[in-house]
Amino acid sequence: QIVLTQSPSASASLGASVRLTCTLSSGHGGFDIAWHQQQAEKGPRYLMKVNSDGRLTKGDGIPDRFSGSSSGTERHLTISSLQSEDEGDYYCQTWGAGVVVFGGGTKLTVL
Amino acid sequence: QVQVQELGPGLVKPSETLSLTCNVSGDSISSHFWIWIRQPAEKGLEWIGRMNIHGITNYNPSLKNRVTMALDTSQNQISLKVRSVTAADTAVYYCARETPRVGDWIPEYWGQGTRVIVSS
Repeated sequence: QIVLTQSPSASASLGASVRLTCTLSSGHGGFDIAWHQQQAEKGPRYLMKVNSDGRLTKGDGIPDRFSGSSSGTERHLTISSLQSEDEGDYYCQTWGAGVVVFGGGTKLTVL
Repeated sequence: QVQVQELGPGLVKPSETLSLTCNVSGDSISSHFWIWIRQPAEKGLEWIGRMNIHGITNYNPSLKNRVTMALDTSQNQISLKVRSVTAADTAVYYCARETPRVGDWIPEYWGQGTRVIVSS
């Protein structure tokens, strides 16, 4: 069974950069994932797909400040030039064997 | 621009059936997979299932015995029924359109969600 692990929280200052990590369970390093953003009291928003080889496919209107990368079983989301509206929960998600799995989410605080 | 809007009863009694609908505009439900996802208060996202017009369906194994999805092309709507609900089914329920890229089971366009409370 695929498991996605995310740190519960992260913080960074306004204007700075932050990298969030999603770790795939052992043996699942070849899986692609997607990142979704959820601002307070809103529905989630698709940000991008991160392939195991590092290729990215962004959602409509996602700024260049959002980027992704891949290394082994880790998939990263990097947000640069942090803005106050970037504060919220970030979920990674993957799929396989007939199911979709979400990570537990990382709550990002912009200081 | 694809827009999805979830509608639900707000409050459901334990052991009853929860019925939700998702209205879609800006796209035809005949063209994609459609997804239901839920989120209990202060918790993470839980995938419920996906379905397309051809009847291809995948459900979360932990829920598959109690849930049914359906597509209504005349109304351009997706529905979800959850039978024998308990307090554990209390959550915000989201409808989403899956990306059209074959093989990518990614919710690409999400609704704002509808809150459901299971209580007597």
